[in-house]
Amino acid sequence: AQKITQTQPGMFVQEKEAVTLDCTYDTSDQSYGLFWYKQPSSGEMIFLIYQGSYDEQNATEGRYSLNFQKARKSANLVISASQLGDSAMYFCAMREGSGISGNQFYFGTGTSLTVIP
Amino acid sequence: EAEVAQSPRYKITEKSQAVAFWCDPISGHATLYWYRQILGQGPELLVQFQDESVVDDSQLPKDRFSAERLKGVDSTLKIQPAELGDSAMYLCASSYSRSSGSNTGELFFGEGSRLTVL
Repeated sequence: AQKITQTQPGMFVQEKEAVTLDCTYDTSDQSYGLFWYKQPSSGEMIFLIYQGSYDEQNATEGRYSLNFQKARKSANLVISASQLGDSAMYFCAMREGSGISGNQFYFGTGTSLTVIP
Repeated sequence: EAEVAQSPRYKITEKSQAVAFWCDPISGHATLYWYRQILGQGPELLVQFQDESVVDDSQLPKDRFSAERLKGVDSTLKIQPAELGDSAMYLCASSYSRSSGSNTGELFFGEGSRLTVL
């Protein structure tokens, strides 16, 4: 089974509107972390937001928020007030592991977001 | 701000040639990862180091790929011989071994090395 599933290969959003990028995950660990990364066309992976499995409140970082629904095993990224510079690939990732020998990270296939002026 | 350094940024080579990529993680990061990312896809783990030891290389094509982190700091990924299907972005990342306190255990990525095999 896939550890991380992103079902939206491509998304379009009007500038200044909000958009939700879907992510579901699969793990039997009690302690894990969920991340979203942005990858512009230049190729670098930019960390956006983090949610720990024990965090009760949804994470927020500026215009980014993570809608964490633990029972559904979903970790959707919400981008508010979209900007042209938000056009990029977005990857959901999960961290597992106790940390003794390093953590394991799993990535989804990504969602390509295009912001329309 | 500390960064993960990678070189070269771009590499064009002919098939059957040897290629090498270098990565210097953030100081103090014990865990180092090499990922391969084919255009339009997510990163796939090639090899994971904990200090100088390989933790996971199950997806590394060992007939042509090798990786080392001799002193537990910087790392080299080699391909010999390169094949057309090796054209991809090779990403290096590092992280703390443990997540604790304010440390989220996130991956810090380098800018990547884009390989084109002709």
